[in-house]
Amino acid sequence: DAGVTQSPTHLIKTRGQQVTLRCSPKSGHDTVSWYQQALGQGPQFIFQYYEEEERQRGNFPDRFSGHQFPNYSSELNVNALLLGDSALYLCASSLGQGSGNTIYFGEGSWLTVV
Amino acid sequence: GDSVTQMEGPVTLSEEAFLTINCTYTATGYPSLFWYVQYPGEGLQLLLKATKADDKGSNKGFEATYRKETTSFHLEKGSVQVSDSAVYFCALSDPGDYGQNFVFGPGTRLSVLP
Repeated sequence: DAGVTQSPTHLIKTRGQQVTLRCSPKSGHDTVSWYQQALGQGPQFIFQYYEEEERQRGNFPDRFSGHQFPNYSSELNVNALLLGDSALYLCASSLGQGSGNTIYFGEGSWLTVV
Repeated sequence: GDSVTQMEGPVTLSEEAFLTINCTYTATGYPSLFWYVQYPGEGLQLLLKATKADDKGSNKGFEATYRKETTSFHLEKGSVQVSDSAVYFCALSDPGDYGQNFVFGPGTRLSVLP
């Protein structure tokens, strides 16, 4: 049973560029959330997708956008990259949106902006 | 808004010592509470959870009890091992926020020495 998979694992981008990160949820899961984890900090919620729609959004600017596909996989897009966007980006999946549901994380995509 | 506070680390213990990592929370609703663990170079893994007051979550010798009166969810283990060295995150999911907007604490780094 495959867990949450993310790609790429590491990437380096230049300030002002755009990046796309990809996530495949755990088998059977239909809800995908994205988190940003800066070095030495806890993950910060970016947004959540369910039924191909953004359902909730954290305190992140519109430069951060996403998409969920019919097979439940998801993409995170970040435009006009800033140095401060350097972080580990984590995808998490679950079945449904209940607050007691456990979310399962992938190993993340390390983004470095230079 | 919702928040999670954890004791600051790093915490350094000798093998077989008793571990406590304090966690307190602020929430508008009646949240579910979680402990996640992050081993070096890996994503977050669920360690244990509790969904209502007085529930005790337990896994791999770790325990935490949901204390509504003190808004706490302290993590304990009676005898730590070197393999427990990792970063531990306390988190909540508040049903007042529809869906799975998890709020994480900053993490506590644990180092266990042989």
